[in-house]
Amino acid sequence: LAKTTQPISMDSYEGQEVNITCSHNNIATNDYITWYQQFPSQGPRFIIQGYKTKVTNEVASLFIPADRKSSTLSLPRVSLSDTAVYYCLGSLNTDKLIFGTGTRLQVFP
Amino acid sequence: GAVVSQHPSWVICKSGTSVKIECRSLDFQATTMFWYRQFPKQSLMLMATSNEGSKATYEQGVEKDKFLINHASLTLSTLTVTSAHPEDSSFYICSARDRQAGGLYEQYFGPGTRLTVT
Repeated sequence: LAKTTQPISMDSYEGQEVNITCSHNNIATNDYITWYQQFPSQGPRFIIQGYKTKVTNEVASLFIPADRKSSTLSLPRVSLSDTAVYYCLGSLNTDKLIFGTGTRLQVFP
Repeated sequence: GAVVSQHPSWVICKSGTSVKIECRSLDFQATTMFWYRQFPKQSLMLMATSNEGSKATYEQGVEKDKFLINHASLTLSTLTVTSAHPEDSSFYICSARDRQAGGLYEQYFGPGTRLTVT
């Protein structure tokens, strides 16, 4: 299971693009990188998952460089409702998930 | 996506009593479920892995006799906090793993259960 490091917190304003970078220097060859979003008093919600290069879905993009030692979650044009904690995890797709500290994103009007 | 439910969503109990929390996968079968605990302003801490039809696997430092886990069917896992004490007050979250098309697995999380021990 890869150990991940993320910024503790980030601030942004509505309409801006937010990029949250996660370091996972010891990621294993078979590990996937997954990002979750959590609102207060709720369970985490899956955002996006990738192995390499770029993955995009309806809510976010995930950029993973060739060495896979880091990844960047990109949230386009954030709104107030994107205020949440974002977790980056690196693990085997079939393995248990170990959560790190996460990044607390605060979006201001 | 798949849905995981938890019951109850919140519970208050007296010190020394036991509390059972249910985790259900509503529209898929989950051979593996996970239980997490989360204290305020902290991250999720994995407590145990629950496997259908077999004993749960507990993480280091988690007392298996205090946190009883039963995974009796492919859609239900229960966590019983025995002889609860105020320090057991926390937010308990379960997740269930579902295999996707293409072979990848995705974990779906329940909404959590807020336990307060008085």
